[in-house]
Amino acid sequence: DIQMTQSPSSVSAYVGDRVTISCRASQGISSWLAWYQQKPGEAPKLLIYTASSLQSGVPSRFSGSGSGTDFILTISGLQPEDVATYYCQQAKSFPLTFGGGTKVEIK
Amino acid sequence: QVQLQQWGAGLLKPSETLSLTCDVHGGSFSGYYWNWIRQAPGKGLEWLAEIDYSGAINYNPSLKSRLAISLDTSRSQISLKLSSVTAADTAVYYCSRAGPATPYYMEVWGGGTTVAVSS
Repeated sequence: DIQMTQSPSSVSAYVGDRVTISCRASQGISSWLAWYQQKPGEAPKLLIYTASSLQSGVPSRFSGSGSGTDFILTISGLQPEDVATYYCQQAKSFPLTFGGGTKVEIK
Repeated sequence: QVQLQQWGAGLLKPSETLSLTCDVHGGSFSGYYWNWIRQAPGKGLEWLAEIDYSGAINYNPSLKSRLAISLDTSRSQISLKLSSVTAADTAVYYCSRAGPATPYYMEVWGGGTTVAVSS
């Protein structure tokens, strides 16, 4: 199985700050990576797919980059509604696997 | 706009079989990939199984011997069965849809079904 490791496990920032979340794959996955946002009590929501493609309807302050084993999710200008846990997921091979999550909070 | 509505038993005893169904409203099956994912309390996401529009199936090897996923296009339903449950299977179970332009990326999710296993 491909292991996905996210860092940090939590981050606290001010409204308007730039926030970056890292995801590392245990082996190369090209650009087969997605990012999801999950708010408490809700199902996850797809934000980014193929590492950098923005899902329809997702605000442009969210962006993704990277390929191979190292990926980054950036929130450019943190908003109160962005408080959530963010997960990466590899789509290179079965079983599909997720990172452990990064909790984003407002200072 | 497709919607996924989940239902199934929420409380099971150890050794029983979990049975969940996902009704698909407002969309077709052709070209899509249908997944089940679960989340234990306070934990991350675990992918369980996928069935595509042709009926091809992939399972998580860690649970493969206990899992069964199926598709009923006539009823617009996807079903999941997990046999011989234990407390470790206590989780929120989600059905989701991927593709066709974005296979293996979950673009639509059901609301989740909370399943508790307790004697």
